[in-house]
Amino acid sequence: AQKITQTQPGMFVQEKEAVTLDCTYDTSDQSYGLFWYKQPSSGEMIFLIYQGSYDEQNATEGRYSLNFQKARKSANLVISASQLGDSAMYFCAMSPLSSTLTFGKGTMLLVSP
Amino acid sequence: DAMVIQNPRYQVTQFGKPVTLSCSQTLNHNVMYWYQQKSSQAPKLLFHYYDKDFNNEADTPDNFQSRRPNTSFCFLDIRSPGLGDAAMYLCATSRGADKPGEQYFGPGTRLTVT
Repeated sequence: AQKITQTQPGMFVQEKEAVTLDCTYDTSDQSYGLFWYKQPSSGEMIFLIYQGSYDEQNATEGRYSLNFQKARKSANLVISASQLGDSAMYFCAMSPLSSTLTFGKGTMLLVSP
Repeated sequence: DAMVIQNPRYQVTQFGKPVTLSCSQTLNHNVMYWYQQKSSQAPKLLFHYYDKDFNNEADTPDNFQSRRPNTSFCFLDIRSPGLGDAAMYLCATSRGADKPGEQYFGPGTRLTVT
């Protein structure tokens, strides 16, 4: 069974600053994927970034990067240069290959002007 | 262009009255998922279809059923909604074995049970 832990129920950041959202995971699978999703107040889940367990480089997508530390089983999301539109709920998730997603409980990010 | 479409966006039903939520996709993805998300909680997978193969999660109540008549459409049927079934219902798709966790979600249907 997989487990995702997001210990930060809420985070605040000022516009243009960077913020790190924490995620740790537990799995006995050797091959798996790690994901981050954004859910604005409108409700739609938006895929942000993916990291494969065998990827040696940390994933990056624009202002999003994933700080993957396999030995520590952590997959933190870093958002650089925060924007007001980044205010949303953020979910960390993982999936063993050819299987379904397990989500964490989420972190609510609020970006202030 | 919308890729995963859910109708309706808001649905009100009476206690015990059957309701159907619909989802369609233009991505031609093999896999379609239905999630239930209650307020301030993570999405909970109810079931998914890999092509025509139906996969039910062990703890999904029998009250919830699904149909996938073709690649593009998938339906969630709630046979006798209870007050506890009020939630946001999210439909998602993925390509399948290649990055199954990279899922594309619809905007959701918010279900209210009166």
